[in-house]
Amino acid sequence: GQNIDQPTEMTATEGAIVQINCTYQTSGFNGLFWYQQHAGEAPTFLSYNVLDGLEEKGRFSSFLSRSKGYSYLLLKELQMKDSASYLCALTIYSGAGSYQLTFGKGTKLSVIP
Amino acid sequence: DTAVSQTPKYLVTQMGNDKSIKCEQNLGHDTMYWYKQDSKKFLKIMFSYNNKELIINETVPNRFSPKSPDKAHLNLHINSLELGDSAVYFCASSQGSAGGGETQYFGPGTRLLVL
Repeated sequence: GQNIDQPTEMTATEGAIVQINCTYQTSGFNGLFWYQQHAGEAPTFLSYNVLDGLEEKGRFSSFLSRSKGYSYLLLKELQMKDSASYLCALTIYSGAGSYQLTFGKGTKLSVIP
Repeated sequence: DTAVSQTPKYLVTQMGNDKSIKCEQNLGHDTMYWYKQDSKKFLKIMFSYNNKELIINETVPNRFSPKSPDKAHLNLHINSLELGDSAVYFCASSQGSAGGGETQYFGPGTRLLVL
């Protein structure tokens, strides 16, 4: 089976930097996504890592270490609109040439003034 | 010009009823999905279709039956609704499968409440 761990909740101050960690244990791992989900809305894509290292995209960066089963999402210059849940999701081989996306339980980030 | 649309957005019904949720994508994607997000916000895959063919069918009660009339549509029919079916159901689509790092685009969700 799969095991994906993320902190349940985090709080950070506007303008600050926050790092949301995701650790996982699974077989058939292919890559890792981060999605953002505002309350009452659909998840939206933030980043995808398949190789080790850091992917930077504006204020958001995502890191992956395949050997350690570890990823983090780094959010810089936090804004109030960044208050949302951040979902770590693994692409896992499910057999017969197909892959599926398995989500962690998400980290609810609250940005305070 | 909504990319992935679902109807209805809200669905309140009695236990034992049969209901359907419709999903359409205008992105020209080959793969569509149904996810269930429970009250604890845990998002879990239910089904995946590629070009109208079922490729993933997680452990879901057989009261849930997906139907894909064409690759732009994936509907979800639920028989004999139970209280535990109350959740938000998200449809999603992607160009290829998740293994290729293809981004999944989610619909707005259908909030199902079974009374």
